[in-house]
Amino acid sequence: AQSVTQPDIHITVSEGASLELRCNYSYGATPYLFWYVQSPGQGLQLLLKYFSGDTLVQGIKGFEAEFKRSQSSFNLRKPSVHWSDAAEYFCAVGAGGTSYGKLTFGQGTILTVHP
Amino acid sequence: NAGVTQTPKFQVLKTGQSMTLQCAQDMNHEYMSWYRQDPGMGLRLIHYSVGAGITDQGEVPNGYNVSRSTTEDFPLRLLSAAPSQTSVYFCASRIGYGYTFGSGTRLTVV
Repeated sequence: AQSVTQPDIHITVSEGASLELRCNYSYGATPYLFWYVQSPGQGLQLLLKYFSGDTLVQGIKGFEAEFKRSQSSFNLRKPSVHWSDAAEYFCAVGAGGTSYGKLTFGQGTILTVHP
Repeated sequence: NAGVTQTPKFQVLKTGQSMTLQCAQDMNHEYMSWYRQDPGMGLRLIHYSVGAGITDQGEVPNGYNVSRSTTEDFPLRLLSAAPSQTSVYFCASRIGYGYTFGSGTRLTVV
């Protein structure tokens, strides 16, 4: 069965600083990988996804993520963080095919942005 | 398109009570699922359905029941609520791996 680990429970950065959120997955085949963001009291918003092809994927709000098969990682990056980026971020892996596959989430990383 | 609609948004139950969380989608998606979100644990899959009349268990199915009589609706039933079921519940539907999530139901069991 697939699994996802987000090693950092809580990250604090200053506004304007760069950001990297870590995500490691476990799955035997090529996974589908996702990053979602959740603001307090809100639902989940998709930031970006990787299915195949170019391992560097661009998402919304200036985020990008890089798929590294050798490291089983899919880290999320942003070159300059804005105060509005403060939220909880979830990495997820989809596996098992598009008909019966399931989405498994990591534990989440809470991002705090200092002015 | 309304997307995925969950009702109610908030609910307080007493231990032992039963209730149904409603989920409806208007996108004609075959696949629907229920997740619960607890602090520090991410979202965990409760039940899912790949089409009308077909349901299966996810990671944490105990205490929950589902049925899928139509493509549009996928209700989640709590048979006898327990404090451990206090959580935020999300319904999602998808086509391929394009997921659409509802806005969630915050449930408190006292």
